[in-house]
Amino acid sequence: DAGVIQSPRHEVTEMGQEVTLRCKPISGHNSLFWYRQTMMRGLELLIYFNNNVPIDDSGMPEDRFSAKMPNASFSTLKIQPSEPRDSAVYFCASSLTRGNYGYTFGSGTRLTVV
Amino acid sequence: AQSVTQLDSHVSVSEGTPVLLRCNYSSSYSPSLFWYVQHPNKGLQLLLKYTSAATLVKGINGFEAEFKKSETSFHLTKPSAHMSDAAEYFCVVSGYSGNTPLVFGKGTRLSVIA
Repeated sequence: DAGVIQSPRHEVTEMGQEVTLRCKPISGHNSLFWYRQTMMRGLELLIYFNNNVPIDDSGMPEDRFSAKMPNASFSTLKIQPSEPRDSAVYFCASSLTRGNYGYTFGSGTRLTVV
Repeated sequence: AQSVTQLDSHVSVSEGTPVLLRCNYSSSYSPSLFWYVQHPNKGLQLLLKYTSAATLVKGINGFEAEFKKSETSFHLTKPSAHMSDAAEYFCVVSGYSGNTPLVFGKGTRLSVIA
């Protein structure tokens, strides 16, 4: 199994541009999570999906952030327009819905907005 | 509500000496507990998990943790630290139901001195 796959690994963009982060969960996992990690705020849960349906997006910082999961094997996190304070590492994780099994994390996307 | 408290934000040990990373949890029911490790510029990796079986759990790279219900603790230990153990460690508790997200601690940074 290739694990959770995120792309791109690194993204540098200018303020005001649209940024799209991508995630492919582990096959058979039906829950997907987007996290953001910064030195100041640590690891924050942005949004999660069960069976492709968004369940809780209360962690999404602003309307500039949106996430979709059109099918069981793909999800996107979009920031439009991007701002320097969005610079962070964004992680995607997947699991079986019964979270007692733990999550498998991707390697993350390091986003830098200049 | 579910919560975890990692009692030390930073622990420093000498190579070859024991490691102890402390974690207390709060849970309204019998929880599942996890330790994750994050090496610099990497994603989070599951180190070990407790899911109501044996209270002493063995994980990868020689780490283990003991679930102590009376003390609401789940401390992580290793008999002898190696330079490669230098990383951030997260204690995690399951959500209030199997369908709610895991709750992450703020992390403990482990430094290993040669």
